[in-house]
Amino acid sequence: SQKIEQNSEALNIQEGKTATLTCNYTNYSPAYLQWYRQDPGRGPVFLLLIRENEKEKRKERLKVTFDTTLKQSLFHITASQPADSATYLCALGAGGGNKLTFGTGTQLKVEL
Amino acid sequence: DVKVTQSSRYLVKRTGEKVFLECVQDMDHENMFWYRQDPGLGLRLIYFSYDVKMKEKGDIPEGYSVSREKKERFSLILESASTNQTSMYLCASSFPSGLTDTQYFGPGTRLTVL
Repeated sequence: SQKIEQNSEALNIQEGKTATLTCNYTNYSPAYLQWYRQDPGRGPVFLLLIRENEKEKRKERLKVTFDTTLKQSLFHITASQPADSATYLCALGAGGGNKLTFGTGTQLKVEL
Repeated sequence: DVKVTQSSRYLVKRTGEKVFLECVQDMDHENMFWYRQDPGLGLRLIYFSYDVKMKEKGDIPEGYSVSREKKERFSLILESASTNQTSMYLCASSFPSGLTDTQYFGPGTRLTVL
């Protein structure tokens, strides 16, 4: 069955450092992968999308890589700030106007 | 600005009650989704709809039903609430572009069943 794994342990880093979050998947051939941010008590908010034929995508301080051979995506936040503290979810889609499958998310805490 | 609203932020119901959770989107999206989110289990899809009056079961439809009479509104119904349905419920919508399927989420309803 399809499986998406994100590190369940919280990631604690210092302000100014680069945070790197991992999303691994098995038994899936996604057309694209998305990253969402979720704050406590709120719904997830879309951040970035990367397609299967793309290696890397950037948006301001965010960078996503996608390795379909390793079946892995890495999500980087450079120059992290306490305001970046949240849970980050990856989601895979097969395309065709279809549903997404979400990972369980990784909590990031950026400390002063 | 894109907006998905849910009828309640917090809801407390008793076992056996019929519960209605309402979701409205103002983006003219065809697709709408209902998820529940529990610690350690992530977002699990209950039902989704790709058009008015159409519905598809997600991964955990047992104990739930849905209704989509209008394009902008998608309702989740708990026919007889049970304590194991205590959870955070999230509604989402998307435009079926086939290229992105980006979902826009509501703020969530935290349901407690006593």
